Amino acid sequence: KAGVTQTPRYLIKTRGQQVTLSCSPISGHRSVSWYQQTPGQGLQFLFEYFSETQRNKGNFPGRFSGRQFSNSRSEMNVSTLELGDSALYLCASSLSPGFEQYFGPGTRLTVT
Amino acid sequence: DAKTTQPPSMDCAEGRAANLPCNHSTISGNEYVYWYRQIHSQGPQYIIHGLKNNETNEMASLIITEDRKSSTLILPHATLRDTAVYYCIVRVAWQAGTALIFGKGTTLSVSS
Repeated sequence: KAGVTQTPRYLIKTRGQQVTLSCSPISGHRSVSWYQQTPGQGLQFLFEYFSETQRNKGNFPGRFSGRQFSNSRSEMNVSTLELGDSALYLCASSLSPGFEQYFGPGTRLTVT
Repeated sequence: DAKTTQPPSMDCAEGRAANLPCNHSTISGNEYVYWYRQIHSQGPQYIIHGLKNNETNEMASLIITEDRKSSTLILPHATLRDTAVYYCIVRVAWQAGTALIFGKGTTLSVSS
């Protein structure tokens, strides 16, 4: 069974731009969560989606948003990029909310 | 979610058992203990989870004390590829809105 896939794997953007990251969950998994990892803050929860609805949200500004499609694929968007948004963005899928999560390889975003 | 305490680092010789401790003295009755690991620059990998009974799978064993205030992850025969940051997390399972809250984890270094 294929794992969680994330695209793109690497991205370089300029301050003020916006970016969209994509995540395809493991087949049959209906819940998708997003995390941000930086050297200073570690792994931090962004949001969780299930049945195309956001079920939980971490403590991030409104510039961070996401959505889930009917096939469970998910996207996250960051608008008005700041230097501090440079991070590894990780997507995790699970059968349903609260089940063990399986992570993708991440998207490395660099903001210059 | 309950807070966990882990040693920042541990060393282990290749072929020996690696025993990683975790304290979770404020764990609630409905919270499970989860273990994940992250090999450098990759997405976290689910290892195992349990409620109160000891658990074993192909990767590791999880020993939870009777009072559930601490647990130990055991890698029976550590290899160089087990070098990673290991995270102990407690959370309510099978419930929406319960994100994985990652601490700083334990950096396990396996050497030959």
